[in-house]
Amino acid sequence: NAGVMQNPRHLVRRRGQEARLRCSPVKGHSHVYWYRQLPEEGLKFMVYLQKENIIDESGMPKERFSAEFPKEGPSILRIQQVVRGDSAAYFCASSRDKSYGYTFGSGTRLTVV
Amino acid sequence: AQKVTQAQTEISVVEKEDVTLDCVYETRDTTYYLFWYKQPPSGELVFLIRRNSFDEQNEISGRYSWNFQKSTSSFNFTITASQVVDSAVYFCALSEAGTTDSWGKLQFGAGTQVVVTP
Repeated sequence: NAGVMQNPRHLVRRRGQEARLRCSPVKGHSHVYWYRQLPEEGLKFMVYLQKENIIDESGMPKERFSAEFPKEGPSILRIQQVVRGDSAAYFCASSRDKSYGYTFGSGTRLTVV
Repeated sequence: AQKVTQAQTEISVVEKEDVTLDCVYETRDTTYYLFWYKQPPSGELVFLIRRNSFDEQNEISGRYSWNFQKSTSSFNFTITASQVVDSAVYFCALSEAGTTDSWGKLQFGAGTQVVVTP
């Protein structure tokens, strides 16, 4: 069953460390989206990537956050120097093309202590 | 501005009751998609339905049904004969055509927590 795979499912980091969240899209899907769900808040778009390109990063915080989707391998959401406010569930979704519809991964729960 | 409004924060029902979740959206685009997702306590996002703006037919899938009304910009979701397993947060979402790059980006409502008690 080749759904969207996110790992790790749970990640604990101390303040100031780096967090790397991985997302392997459904085979054949070239569009990847990252969303963040902060406690008591809804899901917010962060970034949309195609292979080797960032298409829309309008939802990404300006500092410490970056994303990539290389030609080979998973998409990576990287958070540098994490702070407690970064604690959230991060969801990745993939699609075959923009209008085809989404498949979400199970999410990565990041806890910053 | 909030594009998707789910005014109900929480709805509590007793098993076998029907429950309707409201979703009102706002867009200037003529081409858009509307979605419903379920997030059970385990946390994953489960896709329920996608509807495009040109298809106003209501849809039924088992105990689930959706009422799409462009005239009122609403896309409401009804669970008939609710069960305890329906307890979850339900999100409505909008994807607008807009620019080529924005197409596919989902804007979610705040979600409605449904609690079904035996």
